[in-house]
Amino acid sequence: AQKVTQAQTEISVVEKEDVTLDCVYETRDTTYYLFWYKQPPSGELVFLIRRNSFDEQNEISGRYSWNFQKSTSSFNFTITASQVVDSAVYFCALSEALNTGTASKLTFGTGTRLQVTL
Amino acid sequence: EAGVAQSPRYKIIEKRQSVAFWCNPISGHATLYWYQQILGQGPKLLIQFQNNGVVDDSQLPKDRFSAERLKGVDSTLKIQPAKLEDSAVYLCASSRRQGRKIPEAFFGQGTRLTVV
Repeated sequence: AQKVTQAQTEISVVEKEDVTLDCVYETRDTTYYLFWYKQPPSGELVFLIRRNSFDEQNEISGRYSWNFQKSTSSFNFTITASQVVDSAVYFCALSEALNTGTASKLTFGTGTRLQVTL
Repeated sequence: EAGVAQSPRYKIIEKRQSVAFWCNPISGHATLYWYQQILGQGPKLLIQFQNNGVVDDSQLPKDRFSAERLKGVDSTLKIQPAKLEDSAVYLCASSRRQGRKIPEAFFGQGTRLTVV
């Protein structure tokens, strides 16, 4: 069975601080995908990044960076110089690769609510 | 491109009543998902369609929930009869094939259901 754990329920930071959101996953699959989604107050989930299990390179996109460590089953997300607009709930999710090109369901963590204040 | 459209945005019903939600996925997206998100939790998959066929409905409470995707485009999710514990946000999502890569899902804004 797949499981995603986001131990941080809520984090509050002051604008311009760096913040790291933790994600730990469990799966018996050798091929899987990890995702981060952002859920602003409007409700829709916004895709941020996808990483497959064979690619452990860290990725940076602007103020966002992701650290994937297979050895510790973690896929952590860091926001550098946080801004008020980053306030949202962030979800880490896991998906197995059913077969070529077919997406399986996403197993989500419980989310981390990030509050960035001035 | 237009996003995933869902309606209604909000619905309040009494327990034992029935309710239906509608979803129009992004054009060309063959895969459609319905997720249930209870307050304070992550979304949980209810049902996944590939075109108009069901891929996974293992977590759908089939005694009260039903879903269909006629013609492989729009989809409707129905609850009959509703229970208090069905109060949640119902999210529709869609995705398209991207070669061998598992595609990201695009989500709608959801329907917030309150059962009283």
